[in-house]
Amino acid sequence: AQKITQTQPGMFVQEKEAVTLDCTYDTSDPSYGLFWYKQPSSGEMIFLIYQGSYDQQNATEGRYSLNFQKARKSANLVISASQLGDSAMYFCAMTSSTGANSKLTFGKGITLSVRP
Amino acid sequence: NAGVMQNPRHLVRRRGQEARLRCSPVKGHSHVYWYRQLPEEGLKFMVYLQKENIIDESGMPKERFSAEFPKEGPSILRIQQVVRGDSAAYFCASSPRGGATGELFFGEGSRLTVL
Repeated sequence: AQKITQTQPGMFVQEKEAVTLDCTYDTSDPSYGLFWYKQPSSGEMIFLIYQGSYDQQNATEGRYSLNFQKARKSANLVISASQLGDSAMYFCAMTSSTGANSKLTFGKGITLSVRP
Repeated sequence: NAGVMQNPRHLVRRRGQEARLRCSPVKGHSHVYWYRQLPEEGLKFMVYLQKENIIDESGMPKERFSAEFPKEGPSILRIQQVVRGDSAAYFCASSPRGGATGELFFGEGSRLTVL
């Protein structure tokens, strides 16, 4: 079974500063994928970034980067130069590469508030 | 949201009624997933379908819930005899292929309220 843990309370960051959102995971699968999604107050789920367990380099997508530490089983999201529009819930998720489908296991999420 | 269309966006039902939620995947996508999000929680997997087939329904409650993805038309999540605990946001996602690295494209969700 897979498990995602997001335990940070609501996070606050000043506009234009960087912020790290924590995510730890547990799995017995040898190969897996890690995702981050953003859910603004409007409710939709927006894909941000993906990291494969065998990828040699940490994933980056614009202002988003994933700090992947395999030995620690952590996949923290780093948002650089925060913007007001980054205020949202952020979900870490994972899937098994050994499975036949993209079934995702989600964490409970972290609320990020960006202060002007 | 990459083109996944869900309707209705909001649905109110009284206890005992039926709820039908529809999902039209991104054009060309043949893999559909349904997730449920309870208040203050992350999304929980319910069911994975390909055209006319249920591939994985390990997250579906055993009773009252069913899902289909017919050859023609949208995927339907059906909840019979709804109870207050069914109140949640139901998200549909599609992908062009199965496999763990396939990105899922989510719809905007359907919010069910059971009175």
